[in-house]
Amino acid sequence: SQTIHQWPATLVQPVGSPLSLECTVEGTSNPNLYWYRQAAGRGLQLLFYSVGIGQISSEVPQNLSASRPQDRQFILSSKKLLLSDSGFYLCAWSVRTGSAKNSPLHFGNGTRLTVT
Amino acid sequence: AQSVAQPEDQVNVAEGNPLTVKCTYSVSGNPYLFWYVQYPNRGLQFLLKYITGDNLVKGSYGFEAEFNKSQTSFHLKKPSALVSDSALYFCAVRDSSARQLTFGSGTQLTVLP
Repeated sequence: SQTIHQWPATLVQPVGSPLSLECTVEGTSNPNLYWYRQAAGRGLQLLFYSVGIGQISSEVPQNLSASRPQDRQFILSSKKLLLSDSGFYLCAWSVRTGSAKNSPLHFGNGTRLTVT
Repeated sequence: AQSVAQPEDQVNVAEGNPLTVKCTYSVSGNPYLFWYVQYPNRGLQFLLKYITGDNLVKGSYGFEAEFNKSQTSFHLKKPSALVSDSALYFCAVRDSSARQLTFGSGTQLTVLP
């Protein structure tokens, strides 16, 4: 079966420090990968998605960047964190080929980031 | 363009009573509709999806959803609520040409003992 791992679960970082959040998927190949941010426990904002190694699409211009160095690895980064980067970050994957349109997203357990 | 609305921020229901969480959508083609549940400090868990076919879709944990094309709705239902059903519920939609899911703003369900 497929599993998705995100770490760390919680992170407290000072303003201006760098960030690296990692997400890996097991049990599937060639997935679509996504980074979402959830503010105040509610709405989900799509930050980045990737359909393959090195292929990243940014949905919202911001202080963050994403990379996909391997097929099942997705990394969210920042060179200098802002207070406004605080939130709950969720990684997700979905099937890329065939029935992709009707395939659900599968989420990791998230990283709670607090920028102080 | 696709959009989804969850008109209720909060739904309260007594344990054992039926529950409904509302969702309406707007798409330019055929809709693909999904429901997710989120427990505190956890990721979203997939509950069920509608593609085509039967208007009543059955999902995990006894949940079901009713698709109504004329009302462009996809309401989540459960015949008998449990306290453990208390969580944040999200509806999501994708149309046949879209790459991405669009999520609603979420509805907090509280089941009272």
